[in-house]
Amino acid sequence: QSALTQPASVSGSPGQSITISCTGTNNDVGAFNFVSWYQHLPGKAPRLVIYDVSERPSGVSDRFSGSKSGNTASLAVSRLQPEDEADYYCSSHASENSFLVFGGGTKLTVL
Amino acid sequence: QVQLQQWGPGLLKPSETLSLTCGVYGGSFRHFYWTWIRQTPGKGLEWIGKIHHSGSATSNPALRSRVTMSVDTSKNQFSLKLSSVTAADTALYYCGGVMYDTYYVDVWGKGTTVTVSS
Repeated sequence: QSALTQPASVSGSPGQSITISCTGTNNDVGAFNFVSWYQHLPGKAPRLVIYDVSERPSGVSDRFSGSKSGNTASLAVSRLQPEDEADYYCSSHASENSFLVFGGGTKLTVL
Repeated sequence: QVQLQQWGPGLLKPSETLSLTCGVYGGSFRHFYWTWIRQTPGKGLEWIGKIHHSGSATSNPALRSRVTMSVDTSKNQFSLKLSSVTAADTALYYCGGVMYDTYYVDVWGKGTTVTVSS
């Protein structure tokens, strides 16, 4: 059982928008603005796409955006493209003892 | 641009000790916390622990009794040992780097698949 709860799968057609939720608690997502999101393709290392809730690393498309409300963070992907199909994981800082906690991952399918 | 290269045995028997090493290339060894993360089948990602170049380390409370981490600053390498492995430790293990005062993994190794089987 992962510390953060994500839907197992989401899907959308090219050009559409989707949102992936990530629900934690008052001790992690709700306590810190340190939510990050990773894109994971099979056989490759995870790739950071959002950090500190809504910041985008250099080189990441502006089609990716992040937000947070209370204990739930969200990753939005607009103008879906086939290459967006991947697993997406959220993560949050929790404490120095549980430095990072992760979600179980969401499989994004571009139909 | 920091790059990580990791290595270690991919097949262990129950009760053995998992041992992985990660080499840091192309950047400052001292600007990051070095971390280990694993992906177990069907369970997502799990943070294992992090270590500072000074050797100061913190690990996941669920694994703490079995985890040992170390650094070799002369070689720009850091290592993970996980003792008394069971089938539940079968996973894809990643090394990674977290810059100071941040809470996200900025750089990742390519991963090592470790299977525990008798």
